[in-house]
Amino acid sequence: GNSVTQMEGPVTLSEEAFLTINCTYTATGYPSLFWYVQYPGEGLQLLLKATKADDKGSNKGFEATYRKETTSFHLEKGSVQVSDSAVYFCALVTQGGSEKLVFGKGTKLTVNP
Amino acid sequence: KAGVTQTPRYLIKTRGQQVTLSCSPISGHRSVSWYQQTPGQGLQFLFEYFSETQRNKGNFPGRFSGRQFSNSRSEMNVSTLELGDSALYLCASSLAGGSGSGETQYFGPGTRLLVL
Repeated sequence: GNSVTQMEGPVTLSEEAFLTINCTYTATGYPSLFWYVQYPGEGLQLLLKATKADDKGSNKGFEATYRKETTSFHLEKGSVQVSDSAVYFCALVTQGGSEKLVFGKGTKLTVNP
Repeated sequence: KAGVTQTPRYLIKTRGQQVTLSCSPISGHRSVSWYQQTPGQGLQFLFEYFSETQRNKGNFPGRFSGRQFSNSRSEMNVSTLELGDSALYLCASSLAGGSGSGETQYFGPGTRLLVL
């Protein structure tokens, strides 16, 4: 079946540090890949997405590239801010299949000033 | 454009009771999905509705049910509540979806249910 594996953390960084959160997937067919972010007490917000191999999604300084050969979609940011503290979820939906989003377990990021 | 709204935001119930949660999608969105979020199981798909029909269903017992109205608003119902049903219930909407289109799903703030 379809699944997403991401580093669970928690991850603690200092402001302006480089961030990588690893995400790998197993899927039948050709999935679309997403990163969602959840701030304390809130729902999920789409951070970025990619729908085909080699696509790069980017938003608010975050980037992730859809790597079909390594079945990965790692999230990166060159310089994190305190306001980036949140839980980050990698997710997929299989094209041609259900609309069901399959999520990883989430990675809690804390950025200290 | 207003986002996805969910009511109520917080609920406290006792075991054996039933509960109904409501979700209003973004205007023009016709697909509504529901997810359960718990610390132990993470985010799990409950079901998806499109044009008042359940299009997809996750692996939850029959105590969990839902429906969608002609204006795309959706409700989910949990009967005979158990302690393990305590969770954040999230609703998400998208334009039309279907066949794993990869459309963005927009999430509401969730309803936090506590079962005592």
